[in-house]
Amino acid sequence: DAGVIQSPRHEVTEMGQEVTLRCKPISGHNSLFWYRQTMMRGLELLIYFNNNVPIDDSGMPEDRFSAKMPNASFSTLKIQPSEPRDSAVYFCASSSVRTGTDTQYFGPGTRLTVL
Amino acid sequence: LAKTTQPISMDSYEGQEVNITCSHNNIATNDYITWYQQFPSQGPRFIIQGYKTKVTNEVASLFIPADRKSSTLSLPRVSLSDTAVYYCLVGGPNQAGTALIFGKGTTLSVSS
Repeated sequence: DAGVIQSPRHEVTEMGQEVTLRCKPISGHNSLFWYRQTMMRGLELLIYFNNNVPIDDSGMPEDRFSAKMPNASFSTLKIQPSEPRDSAVYFCASSSVRTGTDTQYFGPGTRLTVL
Repeated sequence: LAKTTQPISMDSYEGQEVNITCSHNNIATNDYITWYQQFPSQGPRFIIQGYKTKVTNEVASLFIPADRKSSTLSLPRVSLSDTAVYYCLVGGPNQAGTALIFGKGTTLSVSS
């Protein structure tokens, strides 16, 4: 398996622009997670889906952020409008329910820079 | 979800054994303990997971005492490439999937 795939790997945009980050989870995994990582705040969970349904979006910073999972193999995280403080590395992770706690497999991340 | 406490940073030299201890005093009966490793510019990577006693794999060992209120990740004979951030997480399964909470982690620096 190719693992979790994220695109783009790097994104540079200007304040006010719309940004869309994409994620393809590992085939067969039924949970998907979006994280944001910065030096100041560390790794923060933004939202997670189970069987394509959003379960907890309490980590989404504000209404400018939205996430969708139209099917089991694709998810997007959209920021509109983007602001400089959104600059961070955004990770997508997926997992599958099994006996015990879920092990999350992370993608390589998207480094977002908002100028 | 149980909160975890681990040292912010640790230093070591190549060839030494490194033990990173994590406290999780309010761990629940069905919680597992999981450790992740993160290299710069990469996403966290699963290292090891356990419920009680000792677990060993090709990368590390995990020691969990009987009361399960703490756990120790042991890295044998570290090398420069083990320099990374190590996260301890506790959590249990639920019907809707598990959202593990990552803390600040322990930054391990290995020197020659």
